[in-house]
Amino acid sequence: DTEVTQTPKHLVMGMTNKKSLKCEQHMGHRAMYWYKQKAKKPPELMFVYSYEKLSINESVPSRFSPECPNSSLLNLHLHALQPEDSALYLCASSQGRGQGKENIQYFGAGTRLSVL
Amino acid sequence: KNQVEQSPQSLIILEGKNCTLQCNYTVSPFSNLRWYKQDTGRGPVSLTIMTFSENTKSNGRYTATLDADTKQSSLHITASQLSDSASYICVVSVYNQGGKLIFGQGTELSVKP
Repeated sequence: DTEVTQTPKHLVMGMTNKKSLKCEQHMGHRAMYWYKQKAKKPPELMFVYSYEKLSINESVPSRFSPECPNSSLLNLHLHALQPEDSALYLCASSQGRGQGKENIQYFGAGTRLSVL
Repeated sequence: KNQVEQSPQSLIILEGKNCTLQCNYTVSPFSNLRWYKQDTGRGPVSLTIMTFSENTKSNGRYTATLDADTKQSSLHITASQLSDSASYICVVSVYNQGGKLIFGQGTELSVKP
């Protein structure tokens, strides 16, 4: 099973709403990632968790708040977003955080977020 | 600056034809190079991964090559199918930076009947 499951698939929210994106994997991976992808652009790294601890925050605005409740789950809490935050949000996981071939990242299908 | 450049930006081919996508990188220190396929509105799916010592790697009708000296890679698709229509992204992993990936802009491939 090489599946990373993201919910919801689509989300529409107003600028004053609070919502959460969820990501789940059962491959025993210890590294999990959040990416943001705008149309026709490559994914941009937002956060990296390693062994349930935040290890990389790519200077993401505080209106995005990640959480890793356990080794299988990764959440992204959203609050007071702007219309320019509308994008495809991708979750990925890998066995570890190293650069080796064994640490290939598996991506979920993404959540399509629209901020009105 | 670590960069990955892909060409062409977009490509249209007829079903059954072959095509080759190019990737040039200036990533240092280099760890490995990956090709991903991304269907519209979906997450990327890994096709191949190669370290500097590997020249070629195949996955069905997909064959990737790597020239670590010239820092170039290519992805060759044989006997294209309509389902090959997607964005193909070249991704380079940086050595010793905790799995950090440098993404190319992607090549948008459209296979027409």
